[in-house]
Amino acid sequence: GAVVSQHPSWVICKSGTSVKIECRSLDFQATTMFWYRQFPKQSLMLMATSNEGSKATYEQGVEKDKFLINHASLTLSTLTVTSAHPEDSSFYICSASGAALLTNYGYTFGSGTRLTVV
Amino acid sequence: LAKTTQPISMDSYEGQEVNITCSHNNIATNDYITWYQQFPSQGPRFIIQGYKTKVTNEVASLFIPADRKSSTLSLPRVSLSDTAVYYCLVGMDSSYKLIFGSGTRLLVRP
Repeated sequence: GAVVSQHPSWVICKSGTSVKIECRSLDFQATTMFWYRQFPKQSLMLMATSNEGSKATYEQGVEKDKFLINHASLTLSTLTVTSAHPEDSSFYICSASGAALLTNYGYTFGSGTRLTVV
Repeated sequence: LAKTTQPISMDSYEGQEVNITCSHNNIATNDYITWYQQFPSQGPRFIIQGYKTKVTNEVASLFIPADRKSSTLSLPRVSLSDTAVYYCLVGMDSSYKLIFGSGTRLLVRP
């Protein structure tokens, strides 16, 4: 089945530094990837849609200069949290879909990245 | 994009059948109903999807009445490992985005 690998699973960084999170589709080509953020006891909040070879589309209220998304290949999307602050501490999750998966509404999620900014 | 309403939380005991109902009054003709399961500190996992009547797989059953304005996820004989948050999603927007509602937090007790 479709597998999405997300790395790292957890990261601790100092305030003001940048952190990169990778999301890879292992056995399919992901034309579209989605990035979510989830705070404790809350639901997933969509941050942005990443399309291979084009600019990401950000949801309202999400700072595109702070959350840089790159989708340079059909199997890899990265989310970089720039100049991270404690309020950016959260659980970040990616989701991928290939063209075939879209028609089946079958989205595969990564295992998530726990970011803690100290 | 159809709005969904589910109970915030449910409690059950091991071995019982659990039914979680989701209301989606403004479901569109082309919308499928999909359920995801999420364990703490993990990404959501697809459980089951249906369009109408009943769908069953090795994990759960999904019951959808004729008017499709609600659906019920049925988990047979739950175990402690079924403790998780269950999300009901209906359709998606024109950009194929999945928008999650609040979900139902299921706690299975010994």
